[in-house]
Amino acid sequence: DAGVTQSPTHLIKTRGQQVTLRCSPKSGHDTVSWYQQALGQGPQFIFQYYEEEERQRGNFPDRFSGHQFPNYSSELNVNALLLGDSALYLCASSRWTGDYSYEQYFGPGTRLTVT
Amino acid sequence: GIQVEQSPPDLILQEGANSTLRCNFSDSVNNLQWFHQNPWGQLINLFYIPSGTKQNGRLSATTVATERYSLLYISSSQTTDSGVYFCAVERQEYGNKLVFGAGTILRVKS
Repeated sequence: DAGVTQSPTHLIKTRGQQVTLRCSPKSGHDTVSWYQQALGQGPQFIFQYYEEEERQRGNFPDRFSGHQFPNYSSELNVNALLLGDSALYLCASSRWTGDYSYEQYFGPGTRLTVT
Repeated sequence: GIQVEQSPPDLILQEGANSTLRCNFSDSVNNLQWFHQNPWGQLINLFYIPSGTKQNGRLSATTVATERYSLLYISSSQTTDSGVYFCAVERQEYGNKLVFGAGTILRVKS
C-alpha cells in the first residue's frame, strides 16, 4: 500500500516565476490538504480539497491555488513567487467522515527554494 | 482559532533515558495527532489520539480531553529518536485543518 507521494522532491525557482507541486494521496483517501513549513516552524495550513473542490482555506494569498482531480490527486500552484515562499511544502491525505477528518498522513514534502 | 502549546521546546537526553512531552490546547478537539519529523522533513505518524491512552513499543501517549492536554512518553530513548516532535489538533468549528504546535526538539546523545 503506497503512502502519500509528492513530486518533485526539490525545486529551485526565481522570484516572480510560477511553480506547480503534485501530490498523490494514500489509497482509500479522498481528502487532500496542503501545508507550508518554514524553517524552524510548525506546518501552516494552506487549503484542503474534497470532491474536487476547495473546502477550507488558511491565511494565504490568492497567489496560492490548487486543484483536485477525479482520482483524488492534487496540485498546488504558486504564482509570482516571493523569496518568502521558500519552504517545505507538505501534502496530507485523509478520509472524510462527514464532520471531520480521520487520521491525516503526510507525504515526504517538496522543498522549494526561491532565489 | 485554537491554540496549541508544546513543552519543553528543547530536550537533550542521554541514550536510555525516559522523557515526557506535553501538548496543551485551548478548546475541545475532534482529532489530535502526534508526529515525529525526521531530519529529511518527513512527518511520521506516531499516534492518532483524540482521547484515551495508546502504546506502540517504547512510545505511548495519553490525551485527557476534558483537561485539554496530551502527553507523549518516550522510554529507553535511542539516538534514532532525535528530531522534532509535533502535536497537531483539529476542531470542526475552526475548519477541517490540523493546527500544529511549535514542536519539541529532542536530541538523544550516545
